[in-house]
Order: sequence, then structure tokens, then C-alpha cells
Amino acid sequence: EVQLVESGGGLVQPGASLKLSCVASGFTFSDYWMSWVRQTPGKTMEWIGNIKYDGSYTNYAPALKNRFTISRDNAKTTLYLQMTNVRSEDTATYYCSRERGAVFAYWGQGTLVTVSS
Amino acid sequence: DIVMTQSPSSLAVSAGETVTINCKSSQSLFGSIRQKNYLAWYQQKPGQSPKPLIYLASTRESGVPVRFIGSGSGTDFTLTISSVQAEDLANYYCQQYYDTPYTFGAGTKLELK
Repeated sequence: EVQLVESGGGLVQPGASLKLSCVASGFTFSDYWMSWVRQTPGKTMEWIGNIKYDGSYTNYAPALKNRFTISRDNAKTTLYLQMTNVRSEDTATYYCSRERGAVFAYWGQGTLVTVSS
Repeated sequence: DIVMTQSPSSLAVSAGETVTINCKSSQSLFGSIRQKNYLAWYQQKPGQSPKPLIYLASTRESGVPVRFIGSGSGTDFTLTISSVQAEDLANYYCQQYYDTPYTFGAGTKLELK
């Protein structure tokens, strides 16, 4: 059974950095592109970016490219999202997703990030 | 970026009715090489993560009931739910994967009357 478990969310102050993790199990992690998607409290869905199965290539939403970095450790079957200089508008639930031809085929349960002073 | 415009934003229906959700993209999602439309639909029930229902505009994911029907091509797409059941109460999103950045519609909330 495919499982994706995100962690690392919480309350952070504006301007801080935060690193989210997503531990994958139930499939060969190194075979799949992976994405991060976030959902705001108002339910708006936003794709953050993705990473190739071997970690050699990443894509980002242009508005987030300068502050967010996606990486992976295939030996640990873990996906990461490094967030820097966070803002109030980054408040959202962050999901990792396993892609299938760019469809978000499997999703984790999400981790909530709240940016507030 | 490709803008996805979804309508209506909410819909109240009675069990057994047929509902239609529309999704319009700001540019064509039709890929000429594979002759496919790169459009997916997701269902998100309260307190849960999204789940894919339809991909390539009209192909149901494994296990998705046949009452969920995706249609459309180019820039105009539709999700039809025939004979709505109580378990279908959820938010529905369209998403284009023709080009990055992948983008979603704003969602449609399906409620029971």
C-alpha cells in the first residue's frame, strides 16, 4: 500500500525557514517523480514544484522558485521541501504527492504550516 | 501560467440528481503528439486529502464509480456525476498538466439540499 507521511509543519514566524519531510513507503520511491502541493485555508490548491525520480531535475512554480527548494533522499525514501523567508500567505496545508504522468495519483495526509507572529 | 476557471463554486443537489461541473482553461490542453487532453479531476471529502477521479479528461481512475464521467476537449471540460449519492459530498477540482506550472481550478463544493 502506498503511504506518504508528511511532517515538519507548525507555527513559524514571518521571515523564518522551515523544512518539511515526506516519508514514502509501499512503492519503489526512486522510480517516481514527486511533487509538493499546498492548500490554503480558503481551499485554494497550488502546485509548488516537483523533482525527478533520481533527483537530477526540479521544476517550480515561478512565484515560489526563489524561496522554496525541493530535494529527495532515495536511500531514505524521503522527499523534502525547504521553505525560506516564509510569509503569511504561505499559511497552508502542505501535501506531498506521487505523480503518474503528472497526475497527482497519491497524496499524503498533509502537514499544516501557519505563519504568524 | 494556464488559468483554470471552474464553475459553479458551489452546488446544492438532492440525492439521485445529475450534476455538472465546468472547467475552462485559458489555453488548449490538447497535446497533438499523443492526441490527448491533459486534464484531471480530483475529489476531496471533508477532512481528507484529494483523490484523483479522472485523468486525460475522460479516463476514470481504477475503482471510481461509473457515475463519474469526464468529458470535453481543448479548453472546455465537464465533470458529470449521475445520480448523486450522499457519499459524493465533497469539493471537486480540475487540474491541467499540459504545462508547468501545473494549475488547479478554484474548486466546486457539492452539498446536499
